[in-house]
Amino acid sequence: EAGVAQSPRYKIIEKRQSVAFWCNPISGHATLYWYQQILGQGPKLLIQFQNNGVVDDSQLPKDRFSAERLKGVDSTLKIQPAKLEDSAVYLCASSLGALDTDTQYFGPGTRLTVL
Amino acid sequence: AQSVSQHNHHVILSEAASLELGCNYSYGGTVNLFWYVQYPGQHLQLLLKYFSGDPLVKGIKGFEAEFIKSKFSFNLRKPSVQWSDTAEYFCAAPNHAGTASKLTFGTGTRLQVTL
Repeated sequence: EAGVAQSPRYKIIEKRQSVAFWCNPISGHATLYWYQQILGQGPKLLIQFQNNGVVDDSQLPKDRFSAERLKGVDSTLKIQPAKLEDSAVYLCASSLGALDTDTQYFGPGTRLTVL
Repeated sequence: AQSVSQHNHHVILSEAASLELGCNYSYGGTVNLFWYVQYPGQHLQLLLKYFSGDPLVKGIKGFEAEFIKSKFSFNLRKPSVQWSDTAEYFCAAPNHAGTASKLTFGTGTRLQVTL
């Protein structure tokens, strides 16, 4: 079974530039998550989708971050404009459903460096 | 809202030593708990999970964790560590905010096993 795919794996940009990350979840997984992991911290949830609808985006900085999941499969996360503090690893995860008992499977992440 | 704390930030052990990593959670109701591991250069993967029933949970690679409700703890243990256990370990629990069930992670414990 193929895992969660993410691209690019690494990205270096200058502040105020824009950047986009792509995620392809495990086939059949209805729930998709984007996490931000800053160095030395645990992952923090940014947004959760159930199919193509947003379930929780309470921790997404909506003035600069946006995400979409068209057709309920792939998802993109965009930052515009980027700030220095956005340097982090952006993880995508998926699960069959949104129950507490559903295991989340993580992708390899995209490491973003903002200069 | 659920919160999870890990008090050991960096642990160094010799091979064959016993391991115990601490994890405490805050929510006193129905609790689901997870331990995830991130090996160097690899993505986050599930080590073990607790939903209900037997408080002693066994996971992959000889790891186990014990859910102690009275102590709000879910410590990870392994009787004899190997060099290949060098990794970062995260405790996590779903946050019951709103209708979403998002995963809240601890700050992680970096385990270094020396030969």
